[in-house]
Amino acid sequence: AQSVAQPEDQVNVAEGNPLTVKCTYSVSGNPYLFWYVQYPNRGLQFLLKYITGDNLVKGSYGFEAEFNKSQTSFHLKKPSALVSDSALYFCAVRFTGTASKLTFGTGTRLQVTL
Amino acid sequence: DVKVTQSSRYLVKRTGEKVFLECVQDMDHENMFWYRQDPGLGLRLIYFSYDVKMKEKGDIPEGYSVSREKKERFSLILESASTNQTSMYLCASSLWGRGGTDTQYFGPGTRLTVL
Repeated sequence: AQSVAQPEDQVNVAEGNPLTVKCTYSVSGNPYLFWYVQYPNRGLQFLLKYITGDNLVKGSYGFEAEFNKSQTSFHLKKPSALVSDSALYFCAVRFTGTASKLTFGTGTRLQVTL
Repeated sequence: DVKVTQSSRYLVKRTGEKVFLECVQDMDHENMFWYRQDPGLGLRLIYFSYDVKMKEKGDIPEGYSVSREKKERFSLILESASTNQTSMYLCASSLWGRGGTDTQYFGPGTRLTVL
């Protein structure tokens, strides 16, 4: 069955340290992969996506993500975290044959502290 | 910039009431979606639409219906609201074809409480 997983409910990082938010998927074919961020009481904002090409994708606010086909992962990264990065992060996948539908992970809350 | 607006940020209704949630997008997107968001469950797709007057069930359509009479507007209807429909409701839109890569753009959400 096709699925997407975010194995960590929460990630805690000190400001200035690198951060990683994990996402793995299970799918046949070539998925489209997305990261979204949600600030309190707001809708989701698009951060970045992988469709094809270079495995390292750069997005908004200094975030990047690496597509790893062998490990079926698409982890979100940032070299130096900011307190303002604290938010809820969602990984999403468009699976082959699902015609524009995205399947979202359960979300990971990122807490960046001083 | 794509703009997706939802008619209410907060809504309080009583059990059994008929509830309408409205969503409007201004970028001529073909696809529109309704999700509900609950803690620990992420986003779950209720219904989506590829075109005017066209709708398809998502993962959790029970207790909901939708209407798309115009391309820019997608309405979610709770025929008889129940307390288990208390949730955050998110609308989204995306391009289809014409090079669209399925990036969805979201509205601010409606937090619905059913008493």
